Amino acid sequence: AQSVTQLDSQVPVFEEAPVELRCNYSSSVSVYLFWYVQYPNQGLQLLLKYLSGSTLVKGINGFEAEFNKSQTSFHLRKPSVHISDTAEYFCAVSDIDGQNFVFGPGTRLSVLP
Amino acid sequence: DVKVTQSSRYLVKRTGEKVFLECVQDMDHENMFWYRQDPGLGLRLIYFSYDVKMKEKGDIPEGYSVSREKKERFSLILESASTNQTSMYLCASTLRKISNQPQHFGDGTRLSIL
Repeated sequence: AQSVTQLDSQVPVFEEAPVELRCNYSSSVSVYLFWYVQYPNQGLQLLLKYLSGSTLVKGINGFEAEFNKSQTSFHLRKPSVHISDTAEYFCAVSDIDGQNFVFGPGTRLSVLP
Repeated sequence: DVKVTQSSRYLVKRTGEKVFLECVQDMDHENMFWYRQDPGLGLRLIYFSYDVKMKEKGDIPEGYSVSREKKERFSLILESASTNQTSMYLCASTLRKISNQPQHFGDGTRLSIL
C-alpha cells in the first residue's frame, strides 16, 4: 500500500514570493501522482498530474511539480504567488493497478499581502 | 463540464438519527467515492463503487453504509449518527476503473451531529 507525507501543515508566504509545497510518497510499485487544491468551502480541484514521461509537469494557475523517483518526491512550486492562491493543497498517489488511491494530510498555504 | 452535486452544503442532525447524504454526477462516470475530511488527517476513504449496486469498503467504513441504485447517484448513510461523525464529507467520481483518471469532487457537505 502507498502512503503520502506532506511535511508542512501550514505555509505562510508573502504575495509575489515563490513557494514550494513538499510531498513525499512511499510505494512498492509504480505510481501516478496528483496535486489537488481546495479553496475555502469548496471541493477539491485537480491542479496537475504525473503519469509518465517528462518529470516536470505544468498545471493550472501557474503551478508546476517535479517528479523525483530516487527521492520519491513530487514537490509543487509556483514562482510568484497571489492572494487568490490561499487554499489547502493535497498531494495524492495512485498505484498503476488502480487498487489504491491515497491522499496526503494537506498543506494550508496562506498568502499574505 | 464535469459536475458532481452534493445535496446539502450544511447539515445538522441529532445523535442516533439515520442520516442520508446524496451525491449525483452528470458525466456517466462509472466510479464514485465517499470521503470524510478532518483537519490534519486529509481525506479518508469511506466507501466506493465501481458499478451500479456494487460497493466496496474503504479505509473507515464502520458506522456507514452506501447505496448505488442508479449509475449517477451514490448515497452515504449514517445508520445511527454519533458525534464522532461530525465532519466534512466529500463525494467524488471518475470515468472508469483506470488509476490515471483524476477524481472530480463535489463541494462537500459539512455535517454536525449534536
